[in-house]
Amino acid sequence: DADVTQTPRNRITKTGKRIMLECSQTKGHDRMYWYRQDPGLGLRLIYYSFDVKDINKGEISDGYSVSRQAQAKFSLSLESAIPNQTALYFCATSDFKGRDGYTFGSGTRLTVV
Amino acid sequence: DQQVKQNSPSLSVQEGRISILNCDYTNSMFDYFLWYKKYPAEGPTFLISISSIKDKNEDGRFTVFLNKSAKHLSLHIVPSQPGDSAVYFCAATSHFITQGGSEKLVFGKGTKLTVNP
Repeated sequence: DADVTQTPRNRITKTGKRIMLECSQTKGHDRMYWYRQDPGLGLRLIYYSFDVKDINKGEISDGYSVSRQAQAKFSLSLESAIPNQTALYFCATSDFKGRDGYTFGSGTRLTVV
Repeated sequence: DQQVKQNSPSLSVQEGRISILNCDYTNSMFDYFLWYKKYPAEGPTFLISISSIKDKNEDGRFTVFLNKSAKHLSLHIVPSQPGDSAVYFCAATSHFITQGGSEKLVFGKGTKLTVNP
């Protein structure tokens, strides 16, 4: 099993629908992150959590919300999806002292039509 | 304001030659730098890192050079192989040395490397 698992891998949804992307990890890391990748824009941070009771906004949090259900689970919700939220979404985890930075999931490709 | 810049969106090299990917940063508090590699349909994976107390770190075919005065780092791949074709992200974090760990990483926009057979 992968260290960081994202579900679904692909999703097509309609404008205005609520959608949840899920992330679970077996690394035992306290820190979890949600990023989106767009062509030419790299990886942009949406939300991050340093422990179960800690949730922080990233640089592009508008239109998104998150829930840290447990140390191992961090979900991202789009309350009312819009076409410009079409992107590749990555969940990542980290250990504060880890010299290799983040461990990423395989990504969720979301298309909003 | 972009703190980590990868100014070349793409790079194409011949198999066996050297690939040099560049990264510039603006935040003088950054003290730990990482390179990630990303294949299509996969998440980024860690490749190599360097602390600001060093100016070079080598791992097999991959070497990262850090020029602190110029706020510049580069990743050298020698010799380049077709399997190296991927998007490479530069990332940086601050206070890694003083805190003994990393808060958040700041990523560049990535450089797509194509190695032609």
